[in-house]
Amino acid sequence: EPEVTQTPSHQVTQMGQEVILRCVPISNHLYFYWYRQILGQKVEFLVSFYNNEISEKSEIFDDQFSVERPDGSNFTLKIRSTKLEDSAMYFCASSEPPGKVSVSNQPQHFGDGTRLSIL
Amino acid sequence: GQNIDQPTEMTATEGAIVQINCTYQTSGFNGLFWYQQHAGEAPTFLSYNVLDGLEEKGRFSSFLSRSKGYSYLLLKELQMKDSASYLCAVRGSNYQLIWGAGTKLIIKP
Repeated sequence: EPEVTQTPSHQVTQMGQEVILRCVPISNHLYFYWYRQILGQKVEFLVSFYNNEISEKSEIFDDQFSVERPDGSNFTLKIRSTKLEDSAMYFCASSEPPGKVSVSNQPQHFGDGTRLSIL
Repeated sequence: GQNIDQPTEMTATEGAIVQINCTYQTSGFNGLFWYQQHAGEAPTFLSYNVLDGLEEKGRFSSFLSRSKGYSYLLLKELQMKDSASYLCAVRGSNYQLIWGAGTKLIIKP
């Protein structure tokens, strides 16, 4: 079964450094998402991406964050100057495109996540 | 504001049935999802409801009442591997997923 893959599985970075988290969504999916989950807390939406642009973003997704689809397979999340509170699990997800079936009922398939630790 | 409530923790016995409730208040509604998340792992999709009623998938069923802003996930014939957190998520009017904090389900032999 196709799956979303994320690299690295664990990233340790000094505060103030830039970090790039990488994701390869499922190949025929056209909607991509980033979420974060601080240890012991709920999953939080960061951003959704469709047709090479951001479609929705949350208040968390400020100017420190950016997303990019540099080629036909990768989807990246960049944090420009990391803060201690950025330490969390970051999940990438993708879902099928709209079509005969509305996109609203397409489940999002999650990668295994990248654990980001800011020191 | 937007809010999703589910119990923090539940305990059940192997082989039994458990019902995990979720109530929501969101601006708009475009479906409700249940995900399972084992500790340290990614959420995995379990079920989707957009119309009122019961959706059954093997040992798992999910129910929705839109007028009451209420859903439940029913797990039958519980197995030890069902010990996990169960996340209720609602897709609101802007199609973002709004997540509950999850219900930690503990299965005892």
